Amino acid sequence: NAGVTQTPKFQVLKTGQSMTLQCAQDMNHNSMYWYRQDPGMGLRLIYYSASEGTTDKGEVPNGYNVSRLNKREFSLRLESAAPSQTSVYFCASSETSYNEQFFGPGTRLTVL
Amino acid sequence: DQQVKQNSPSLSVQEGRISILNCDYTNSMFDYFLWYKKYPAEGPTFLISISSIKDKNEDGRFTVFLNKSAKHLSLHIVPSQPGDSAVYFCAAQAYNFNKFYFGSGTKLNVKP
Repeated sequence: NAGVTQTPKFQVLKTGQSMTLQCAQDMNHNSMYWYRQDPGMGLRLIYYSASEGTTDKGEVPNGYNVSRLNKREFSLRLESAAPSQTSVYFCASSETSYNEQFFGPGTRLTVL
Repeated sequence: DQQVKQNSPSLSVQEGRISILNCDYTNSMFDYFLWYKKYPAEGPTFLISISSIKDKNEDGRFTVFLNKSAKHLSLHIVPSQPGDSAVYFCAAQAYNFNKFYFGSGTKLNVKP
């Protein structure tokens, strides 16, 4: 039982490059989330999926897209990376949107 | 505008003493509150929660207090241990919001 897994753990991109962050959970959770953590800013919600087949914007969605591929997987895509997207990205899941969330280990992304 | 605020970025406490971490919120519709603990290079982990129908919830050394009239919650750790040194986030949600709002975190240092 791995919980929430994220790949990759680290990534360096050049401005304008694209990439997809992968997230998977094996807890049969309905809800999944993408956050970014920046110094002094706490955790800010980028996008979430309250249930399979739905996605919604969070606080800071600009520059990102998401895909809820199936119940297990929720990916985050940066189409044209910018230095402002340098951050640590966390994926999380919960049984429903009103339960505590379980977080993955994070992806540290640097955009040069 | 931040709906959940942790106004103390850091707190230092001696081992064995009480640690008190504070959190304020602005939205009176919030009815479910959680605390998470985060070690460096790891994802946050759920610590304790409280529903608005209660004013206190206890789990071992950890107790969360909720003051709805003041829109304030606090996390008490007694006795504090060096292993409690981490960043603590509070989070809040209203039943129909489908997402949690996180504070910016308080870094706790427990000195041996």
